[in-house]
Amino acid sequence: KQEVTQIPAALSVPEGENLVLNCSFTDSAIYNLQWFRQDPGKGLTSLLLIQSSQREQTSGRLNASLDKSSGRSTLYIAASQPGDSATYLCAPLEYGNKLVFGAGTILRVKS
Amino acid sequence: SAVISQKPSRDICQRGTSLTIQCQVDSQVTMMFWYRQQPGQSLTLIATANQGSEATYESGFVIDKFPISRPNLTFSTLTVSNMSPEDSSIYLCSGTWRRGYTFGSGTRLTVV
Repeated sequence: KQEVTQIPAALSVPEGENLVLNCSFTDSAIYNLQWFRQDPGKGLTSLLLIQSSQREQTSGRLNASLDKSSGRSTLYIAASQPGDSATYLCAPLEYGNKLVFGAGTILRVKS
Repeated sequence: SAVISQKPSRDICQRGTSLTIQCQVDSQVTMMFWYRQQPGQSLTLIATANQGSEATYESGFVIDKFPISRPNLTFSTLTVSNMSPEDSSIYLCSGTWRRGYTFGSGTRLTVV
């Protein structure tokens, strides 16, 4: 059974810092991996999707890497802003079209 | 990008009653799913909504409690039946498209 762990569970930083959020998964037989953002009480917003054959994806200040063989992914946020405050969720997609979610990293960026 | 409209956004319901949540997707979405997010927890898959046939439920979820319909490619409903306070959660529908998964805005359900 796929298990997804996200570290740290919570993070509070001053504005402007560069951040690294970590995700590990136990079963490397994945189709792709997606990072999401969730604001309190809201749905999920897709940030980045990395195919299993890719090493990284970039969108603006966000960069996600994937090391499928070691079961790890990282989300790098450059020059953090208060508007980045949210919960960040990592979800590998298993064959059979099942997303498995980690518990998330709660990020607070202080102005 | 693919868009999913979900309603209601929130509701407060009496125990023993039922609530039906609706999701409307655009034509880019292929598969549809329903998730539950209990307070302080991550998302758990309830079931895959299959077009024109019975949904495929995950372990721990049953059709009598969470009946799901998907009469066509673009519409699905989830009913939370005979509610108890333990059903208080955020319920989310999602769909797959060529750029991965997209989610509805969620329904925050409180059962009193």
